[in-house]
Amino acid sequence: DAMVIQNPRYQVTQFGKPVTLSCSQTLNHNVMYWYQQKSSQAPKLLFHYYDKDFNNEADTPDNFQSRRPNTSFCFLDIRSPGLGDAAMYLCATSRGPLNYGYTFGSGTRLTVV
Amino acid sequence: AQSVAQPEDQVNVAEGNPLTVKCTYSVSGNPYLFWYVQYPNRGLQFLLKYITGDNLVKGSYGFEAEFNKSQTSFHLKKPSALVSDSALYFCAVRDSNYQLIWGAGTKLIIKP
Repeated sequence: DAMVIQNPRYQVTQFGKPVTLSCSQTLNHNVMYWYQQKSSQAPKLLFHYYDKDFNNEADTPDNFQSRRPNTSFCFLDIRSPGLGDAAMYLCATSRGPLNYGYTFGSGTRLTVV
Repeated sequence: AQSVAQPEDQVNVAEGNPLTVKCTYSVSGNPYLFWYVQYPNRGLQFLLKYITGDNLVKGSYGFEAEFNKSQTSFHLKKPSALVSDSALYFCAVRDSNYQLIWGAGTKLIIKP
């Protein structure tokens, strides 16, 4: 089945130690998004790629970076995780810029110790 | 300003009773509206959307939503609640930049 896959499901990292979360999709969607979600709050958009074009939200900290080496994969890099970065990270895709809805992955729960 | 409001943090319903989760929106132009459900430690799952056409939209798991333009509402409904419907529900609207604006979420608790 076509889907969005996030690895790992759970990630524990040390304070200040770089960490990378991955997302892959078999939907061949043009747009890929990264969201941060804390304790049952609404998801917060960090950035998105439309094909290779990177779009950063204005309030996304510089500590968060992303890479999209090809259509199928997108990575979220947290350069120096702080305790406040502990959250669920959600990857989503949509077919095109008009955005008729997202398909989400299962998320990665990040713990910072 | 473009926004989505889910006025209830939590909704409690007895199993077998009808349920309603409320959503109101403010957006310029024609609204594109969505409902998603989130189970614990999972990503969001698409339930249904309104783009155009019939005001009553049917979605997954027996859910439906009614678009009301005059009241700027898009309430989620189900005729008979199941315990397994207990989850976090998010309403969203597409903004003028084609991004989704999310409501704060409503926790739905179905009691046996």
